[in-house]
Order: sequence, then C-alpha cells, then structure tokens
Amino acid sequence: AQSVTQPDIHITVSEGASLELRCNYSYGATPYLFWYVQSPGQGLQLLLKYFSGDTLVQGIKGFEAEFKRSQSSFNLRKPSVHWSDAAEYFCAVGNIGSARQLTFGSGTQLTVLP
Amino acid sequence: EAQVTQNPRYLITVTGKKLTVTCSQNMNHEYMSWYRQDPGLGLRQIYYSMNVEVTDKGDVPEGYKVSRKEKRNFPLILESPSPNQTSLYFCASTPLLTDTQYFGPGTRLTVL
Repeated sequence: AQSVTQPDIHITVSEGASLELRCNYSYGATPYLFWYVQSPGQGLQLLLKYFSGDTLVQGIKGFEAEFKRSQSSFNLRKPSVHWSDAAEYFCAVGNIGSARQLTFGSGTQLTVLP
Repeated sequence: EAQVTQNPRYLITVTGKKLTVTCSQNMNHEYMSWYRQDPGLGLRQIYYSMNVEVTDKGDVPEGYKVSRKEKRNFPLILESPSPNQTSLYFCASTPLLTDTQYFGPGTRLTVL
C-alpha cells in the first residue's frame, strides 16, 4: 500500500529565509507526487506535481520540489519565504493507474516570523 | 468561475440525525471524491466516483453513503451520524485526462 510521511509537524522560519519541507513516500511503482497548500479556513490548492521527466518541478508562488527516487523523497523548497506562505502543506502520492486516489501525508504547519 | 462548492460550510448536529452534505462542480469533471481531514492524519478518502452511477469505497467509508445521479453533484450522506464523524470534509473533482484534484472549501461538521 502506498503511504506518505511528512516528518515535520510544525516548522517555523523567519520571513526571507529559505524553506524546505520534507516528504517521503512509499510506493512500489512510479508514483505521481503532489504538494498542496491549505491556508486557514480554505480548501486545498495545488502547488505542483510530478509525473515523470525532469525531477525538479516548478510550481506556483515560487515553490519547487525535487523528486529523488533513490531516497523516496519529494521535498518542497522555496528560496525566500513570505509571510503569506504561512499555511499547512500536504504531500500526496497517487499511482499511475489511478492517481485520483491520493494518499496524503499528515501535513506540515508552517509559521512565518516577521 | 470554475469551482467546487459545498453546502453547508458549517454544521452542528446531534447523534443519529441524518444529514447530507452537498457537493457540486461546474467543470464537467468525471471524477469526484470525498475526504475527511483530522488533525495529525491528513486527508483520508471516504468515497469516490468515476462517473455517473459509478461509486466506490475509499479508505474510510464506514458510516457514509454517496450517490452520483448527475455528473455535477456528489452528495455525502450520513444516515446516523456519530461523534467520531466530527471532522472537516472536503469534496474534490478531477477531469478525466488529468490527475489534478480541485478541492471545495470544506464543510466543518460537529456531531454532539
């Protein structure tokens, strides 16, 4: 069965600092990988996704993620965090045959200090 | 505007009182699903539907029902709600040829 682990429940960074949110997945075949963001009181918004090809994926709002098959990881990064990035971030994995059935990680809550 | 809508957004009810949370999408997406979100557990899929009259169980279907009589609507039914169904519920839709899910704004349900 597929699974996703986000080892950091809560991360705090200062505005302007760099950010890396960790995501490790478990899946037997080539996974579809996603990062979603959830702002307070809002639904989930897709930041970026990886299906195949270039392992460095660019997303919206200046985010990027790198797929590392050898480490089963799909970490999310941003070079300079803005106060508006404070939110909860979810990594998700789906399979090629049925990627609509996503398995989500437990989420990482990001706090941004002024 | 392309969107997924859910109603109600907030609901407080009592144990055993049947309720329905509606979900509607205006993007003509074939695939729809329901998730519940609980602290520390992320989102877990309850039910999904590949198309009209085609539904299947997700990871946590117990205590829930769904129907898909029209392409745009996918209501979630709790026949006899219990306190352990207190949660934040999300509906999502996906077009046939992609794997990107579009989420509704969520419904916060409290069962007393």
